Amino acid sequence: AQSVTQLGSHVSVSEGALVLLRCNYSSSVPPYLFWYVQYPNQGLQLLLKYTSAATLVKGINGFEAEFKKSETSFHLTKPSAHMSDAAEYFCAVRNYGQNFVFGPGTRLSVLP
Amino acid sequence: DAGVTQSPTHLIKTRGQQVTLRCSPKSGHDTVSWYQQALGQGPQFIFQYYEEEERQRGNFPDRFSGHQFPNYSSELNVNALLLGDSALYLCASSLAPGTQSTGELFFGEGSRLTVL
Repeated sequence: AQSVTQLGSHVSVSEGALVLLRCNYSSSVPPYLFWYVQYPNQGLQLLLKYTSAATLVKGINGFEAEFKKSETSFHLTKPSAHMSDAAEYFCAVRNYGQNFVFGPGTRLSVLP
Repeated sequence: DAGVTQSPTHLIKTRGQQVTLRCSPKSGHDTVSWYQQALGQGPQFIFQYYEEEERQRGNFPDRFSGHQFPNYSSELNVNALLLGDSALYLCASSLAPGTQSTGELFFGEGSRLTVL
């Protein structure tokens, strides 16, 4: 069964600093990978997705992620954090048949 | 373009009761999936409906059941509620398997169930 791990349940950065949220997956075949963001008391919103077209994927709100097959990683980055980026971030892998396996999430805090 | 809508947004039940949650998919989508998100955790897959049939199921007991209607809307039913069923229940819609789609899920805002 596929699984997703996210290193660090809570990450704090200063406003303007680099954001790096880590995601590693287990998959025996090339996966579809996704990052979702969840703001308090809301559902999940798609940030970006990897579908094998390009290893560096750009998403909304200035976020991007790089697929590294050799490291089975799909880390999420943003060059400069903004206060509005504070939220919960989930990495997910899509199984055949379309059900998703989500990681446990990383809560991002942005300090002024 | 209407997104995924869920109702009710909040509800409180007692142990042993039954609950029904409802979901309308994003316009143009025909596949509905349900996820359970316990506090501080990632969403866990419950089941997926397509063409009014359950197509896939996660590791949830038979107390969890569902239905999809001809208009693609869906219900999630949970019987004999336990305290551990307290969670945010998320509905997600997508395009059917085999379509020209990368299959990303579009989520509603969820129904928060509290079991006392």
